Amino acid sequence: NAGVTQTPKFQVLKTGQSMTLQCAQDMNHEYMSWYRQDPGMGLRLIHYSVGAGITDQGEVPNGYNVSRSTTEDFPLRLLSAAPSQTSVYFCASSLAGTTYEQYFGPGTRLTVT
Amino acid sequence: ILNVEQSPQSLHVQEGDSTNFTCSFPSSNFYALHWYRWETAKSPEALFVMTLNGDEKKKGRISATLNTKEGYSYLYIKGSQPEDSATYLCAFMKTSYDKVIFGPGTSLSVIP
Repeated sequence: NAGVTQTPKFQVLKTGQSMTLQCAQDMNHEYMSWYRQDPGMGLRLIHYSVGAGITDQGEVPNGYNVSRSTTEDFPLRLLSAAPSQTSVYFCASSLAGTTYEQYFGPGTRLTVT
Repeated sequence: ILNVEQSPQSLHVQEGDSTNFTCSFPSSNFYALHWYRWETAKSPEALFVMTLNGDEKKKGRISATLNTKEGYSYLYIKGSQPEDSATYLCAFMKTSYDKVIFGPGTSLSVIP
């Protein structure tokens, strides 16, 4: 099993550009989340999904869109990148209806100039 | 928005010292509390998952306790080693199929 994979590993965007961060898992996990790492604030939840077709907002959803058309994939779209979105983004997955122990991907480091 | 707090923010200890950190969470509803270890340039990895009041978990020199009625969990490290240096995160879940919210973390540095 590859576990949770994220692409790209690194990305540089100009202000106003859009892009999609990809996340996929091969563990048949229903529950998936996107977090951003901010200094002194740990991991902040952007959006999460409890299954295909179901998504909900987290703590910091503004400027980001998600969709969940399959169990395996949970892409995160930046609509119009801003310097404040410079961060490391982590995708995580877990089994739903259990303890929800999170399995994390390797992260995507995004810089917005 | 759920308020999950951790203290202290950072800790520097000598090799061999024992140490502990605190995670505080809302006590009104409780489903699960997780502890994760996060090494620099890596991804967080789960240490413990606790779901019942009074739970105690142990893995080698690291242990954790849970008090859901008062809304806190302690993580203990006995005889700290340099390889224990990492950020320790707790994460709280109020109900099933809900958000998993992380605290800000405690950064531990163990000095040889």
